[in-house]
Amino acid sequence: QKEVEQNSGPLSVPEGAIASLNCTYSDRGSQSFFWYRQYSGKSPELIMSIYSNGDKEDGRFTAQLNKASQYVSLLIRDSQPSDSATYLCAVNKGSNYKLTFGKGTLLTVNP
Amino acid sequence: NAGVTQTPKFQVLKTGQSMTLQCAQDMNHNSMYWYRQDPGMGLRLIYYSASEGTTDKGEVPNGYNVSRLNKREFSLRLESAAPSQTSVYFCASSGGTGNSYNEQFFGPGTRLTVL
Repeated sequence: QKEVEQNSGPLSVPEGAIASLNCTYSDRGSQSFFWYRQYSGKSPELIMSIYSNGDKEDGRFTAQLNKASQYVSLLIRDSQPSDSATYLCAVNKGSNYKLTFGKGTLLTVNP
Repeated sequence: NAGVTQTPKFQVLKTGQSMTLQCAQDMNHNSMYWYRQDPGMGLRLIYYSASEGTTDKGEVPNGYNVSRLNKREFSLRLESAAPSQTSVYFCASSGGTGNSYNEQFFGPGTRLTVL
């Protein structure tokens, strides 16, 4: 089983819709969870961090964490064409400084 | 505040040549990392430095060496480049306070081609 799994996509949504990106992880000891956005040809950019079960909202972005189900998701409300990018899920096991990344989900928002 | 900077941005090498990729951060972070990113493989950790004076191997360290020159700088060296090392290389740093200690911030990347 891969440590961090994401659907590679592409996920295509119309402008204004809600985009839902999902990530599962295998290590129950994981403690910190991150979402990065990566535009084509650019470096990953941290957009959300979540550390406890439940929802965390920041503007149009909501991260959701369910440790019992080993599942973390990112919702993007009112999706814009500028949100078109690859979204990377990353997990930290807490005992060291390293992050384990999923391979990313490509999101396309159609005008 | 430049964040994480990397040089060079692009590089073409011939097989067997050596080079050093430079990385610096101005966020006073303790930890620094080198990743490579290849199509279909995602981000893979090459080496990391948890704090000044320490370095450790990551997932794919073969063919690379690193130096944590000081708290700000962390370099990656390819001693004898191979075509399999053609990739995009990212440096990152982390070390904020509280829960944000593990939030990693990335440099712009170096696109390396080995012929």
